[in-house]
Amino acid sequence: DAGVIQSPRHEVTEMGQEVTLRCKPISGHNSLFWYRQTMMRGLELLIYFNNNVPIDDSGMPEDRFSAKMPNASFSTLKIQPSEPRDSAVYFCASGPIPGANVLTFGAGSRLTVL
Amino acid sequence: SQKIEQNSEALNIQEGKTATLTCNYTNYSPAYLQWYRQDPGRGPVFLLLIRENEKEKRKERLKVTFDTTLKQSLFHITASQPADSATYLCALVLTGGGNKLTFGTGTQLKVEL
Repeated sequence: DAGVIQSPRHEVTEMGQEVTLRCKPISGHNSLFWYRQTMMRGLELLIYFNNNVPIDDSGMPEDRFSAKMPNASFSTLKIQPSEPRDSAVYFCASGPIPGANVLTFGAGSRLTVL
Repeated sequence: SQKIEQNSEALNIQEGKTATLTCNYTNYSPAYLQWYRQDPGRGPVFLLLIRENEKEKRKERLKVTFDTTLKQSLFHITASQPADSATYLCALVLTGGGNKLTFGTGTQLKVEL
């Protein structure tokens, strides 16, 4: 398995533009997590899905953020409109359930909003 | 409020010594505690998991302890090597919290020759 695949690896955009980050989880994993990492706040959980269903989106900062998981092999995190304070590294991770939820992370998408 | 605290200052140790990293938590009842390693520009990688009813877990040069009374986990790397230099993150899965994994801010370890 190629692991968790995220795209794009780097994105530079201007304030107000729409940003879409993509994630392909490991085949057979039925939980998927989106995290955001910054120096100031560390690794923050934004939202997670079990069996393609959103379970907890309490970490999504604002209505500008939305996430979808239309099927077991694909998820998107969208920011519209983007703001400079959204600049961070966004990680997708997947894991098996039931279990102790050991996660496998992707390489991350580094977002810079100018 | 709930907090997971790790030492924000980098830990510098000499090669061959034992590195000990601390994870303290408040207002949590964790079912599991996990440790991850993160290298620059990469995602975290799982290292070890310990359950609430376990006191200690070992894997090669790694050892994790879990004290639910003190609300603390210690992560030890024995015979440390420069290749162990990285940021180490602890993470909690709460009792009754489903499979939600919440991370501490991490501690950077530097192993010097």
